[in-house]
Amino acid sequence: AQSVTQLDSQVPVFEEAPVELRCNYSSSVSVYLFWYVQYPNQGLQLLLKYLSGSTLVKGINGFEAEFNKSQTSFHLRKPSVHISDTAEYFCAVVISGTYKYIFGTGTRLKVLA
Amino acid sequence: NAGVTQTPKFQVLKTGQSMTLQCAQDMNHNSMYWYRQDPGMGLRLIYYSASEGTTDKGEVPNGYNVSRLNKREFSLRLESAAPSQTSVYFCASRTTGDYGYTFGSGTRLTVV
Repeated sequence: AQSVTQLDSQVPVFEEAPVELRCNYSSSVSVYLFWYVQYPNQGLQLLLKYLSGSTLVKGINGFEAEFNKSQTSFHLRKPSVHISDTAEYFCAVVISGTYKYIFGTGTRLKVLA
Repeated sequence: NAGVTQTPKFQVLKTGQSMTLQCAQDMNHNSMYWYRQDPGMGLRLIYYSASEGTTDKGEVPNGYNVSRLNKREFSLRLESAAPSQTSVYFCASRTTGDYGYTFGSGTRLTVV
């Protein structure tokens, strides 16, 4: 069975510092990978996705993620965070050939002044 | 372009009451979904509609029913609300061939 693990439930970081939010998945078949962001009292918004091709994927708001097949990871990074990046971030996988989503439990990023 | 619109935004129900959550999208998307979001559990799929005229159960369908009224609208009904259904409900849609979702802003439901 497929699963998604976001090990860090909360990540505090100071403004202008770099951040990495970790995502690992388990799957015996090919998957597509996604990161979504949820700002307070809002719905989820697609941040970036990996379907194929280059393993380094750039998204909105200066975020990027790297697909590492050998480590089954898809970590999200930003070199310098802003207060406005405070939100919850969800990693998700979709089994190739299906549209079945599996979401992680989320990581709350809190950017401190 | 409104995207995905959910109504109401907030609702308090008494145990046993019924209600319908409304969702409408104006992006001509074929597929629509209902999720619930609970602390520490991520998002769980309740029901989905791959295309107009079809609906299927997701991971946690018990206690819910859905109607795909037309291509734009997909409603979720709670026939007899229970405290365990206290949650934030999200509607999402996507177009054929695109794996990315567009989400609504959610309905925060409390059942007392």
